[in-house]
Amino acid sequence: EAGVAQSPRYKIIEKRQSVAFWCNPISGHATLYWYQQILGQGPKLLIQFQNNGVVDDSQLPKDRFSAERLKGVDSTLKIQPAKLEDSAVYLCASSLDRGRTNYGYTFGSGTRLTVV
Amino acid sequence: QKEVEQDPGPLSVPEGAIVSLNCTYSNSAFQYFMWYRQYSRKGPELLMYTYSSGNKEDGRFTAQVDKSSKYISLFIRDSQPSDSATYLCAMSPLRGGYQKVTFGIGTKLQVIP
Repeated sequence: EAGVAQSPRYKIIEKRQSVAFWCNPISGHATLYWYQQILGQGPKLLIQFQNNGVVDDSQLPKDRFSAERLKGVDSTLKIQPAKLEDSAVYLCASSLDRGRTNYGYTFGSGTRLTVV
Repeated sequence: QKEVEQDPGPLSVPEGAIVSLNCTYSNSAFQYFMWYRQYSRKGPELLMYTYSSGNKEDGRFTAQVDKSSKYISLFIRDSQPSDSATYLCAMSPLRGGYQKVTFGIGTKLQVIP
C-alpha cells in the first residue's frame, strides 16, 4: 500500500509571499487532515476533510490559509501571505474510516516550510 | 493549562534499558489513547492505541492507561538504538461523528549503544 504523498519536501520563502503544499492520501481513505507542527511542539490540526467537505477548520487562520480537496482525493493547502510564525512542518494525514480516529492516521513525511 | 502535558526530554538511556514515557491530561472526555513514533524529518507513525483504562501489549511495547489519574504510559522493554525517536501521545473523546485528536508535544528518546 502506497503511503501518503506530500510535496514539496522543503520550501523557503520570504515573508508576504505565497506558498502551496500538495497531498495525495492513501487510496480509498475518505478522511484527510492537514496538521501544522512547529519545532518542539505536537501537531496541531488545521483542517479536516471528509471526502470533499470540510468537517473542522476551527483552527485554520482563514485570513491567510486556505485548503481544498477536489474530487475527494488530492488536497492543497495554501498560505497567502506568509508570516515568519508560519515556519513549521505541514503534515498531511489520511484515515480510512469516517471519523474513526481511534484507529489512528497515516501521516505523510511533511513539507518543511521556512519563512525568512 | 494544556489539555495534554508531556515532558519533552530529551531522555537518554543505555541499550537494553526499560523506557517509561508518560503523559497527563485534563479532559475527562478522552477515551481513546494513542502513541505515535516520529523519526527525524518523518511524519508520525502509529505505534499503539488503547480504549479506556487498562494495559495493551505489542511485542516490546506496552501501553497503559489510568483514567482515574488521567495518566497514560508507554513502556519499551529491551530498548534498541532504532527506538531513538520522538514519541507523541495523542487522545480523543468518545463522541459520535468526528473525533478531534489532541497531541502532546512529544518526548525525544535516545538509546545509546
